[in-house]
Amino acid sequence: EPEVTQTPSHQVTQMGQEVILRCVPISNHLYFYWYRQILGQKVEFLVSFYNNEISEKSEIFDDQFSVERPDGSNFTLKIRSTKLEDSAMYFCASNTRIVFSGGASNEQYFGPGTRLTVT
Amino acid sequence: KNEVEQSPQNLTAQEGEFITINCSYSVGISALHWLQQHPGGGIVSLFMLSSGKKKHGRLIATINIQEKHSSLHITASHPRDSAVYICAAAVVISGTYKYIFGTGTRLKVLA
Repeated sequence: EPEVTQTPSHQVTQMGQEVILRCVPISNHLYFYWYRQILGQKVEFLVSFYNNEISEKSEIFDDQFSVERPDGSNFTLKIRSTKLEDSAMYFCASNTRIVFSGGASNEQYFGPGTRLTVT
Repeated sequence: KNEVEQSPQNLTAQEGEFITINCSYSVGISALHWLQQHPGGGIVSLFMLSSGKKKHGRLIATINIQEKHSSLHITASHPRDSAVYICAAAVVISGTYKYIFGTGTRLKVLA
């Protein structure tokens, strides 16, 4: 069964450094997302991406964050200058076209996450 | 106030018990997704539903759109069901939707 993959599984970085988190969505999916989960807290939406542009972003997704689909398969999240509070699990997700029809299977599929630790 | 509330926050059950986890939401949704998160952090999809009821094995999910409430039931619970169960409201945004997550219910099933 196709799955979303993420690399690395764990990234440790120093405050102020740039990090790039990588995701490979399911191949025929068109919509891509990043979410994050600070330890002990709920998962939060960061950004959605479609047709090579951001379709929506949350207030968390400030100028330090950027997303890119550099080729036909990867979807990346870059944090320009990491802060301690960026330490979290980051999840990538993807799905196909959006049609809600009696609970049709257009759910978002999640990757296994990248645990980012900023020291 | 959270837009998606779950109860209980923590639940300990004996093996074999029938378990109910509740989710209430205050936003307009297109669908509701029940997810399972294991200690390693990975998120597994259980159900996505926009009306009525869905069943898969020992898991049953129901949703009442008018009351803005969904429940996840686990019949004949087993220690391997121990995990955090999360409901996520699918809210339409520009051309797609985003999830607003509940805080999760931490379930522990004792042998």
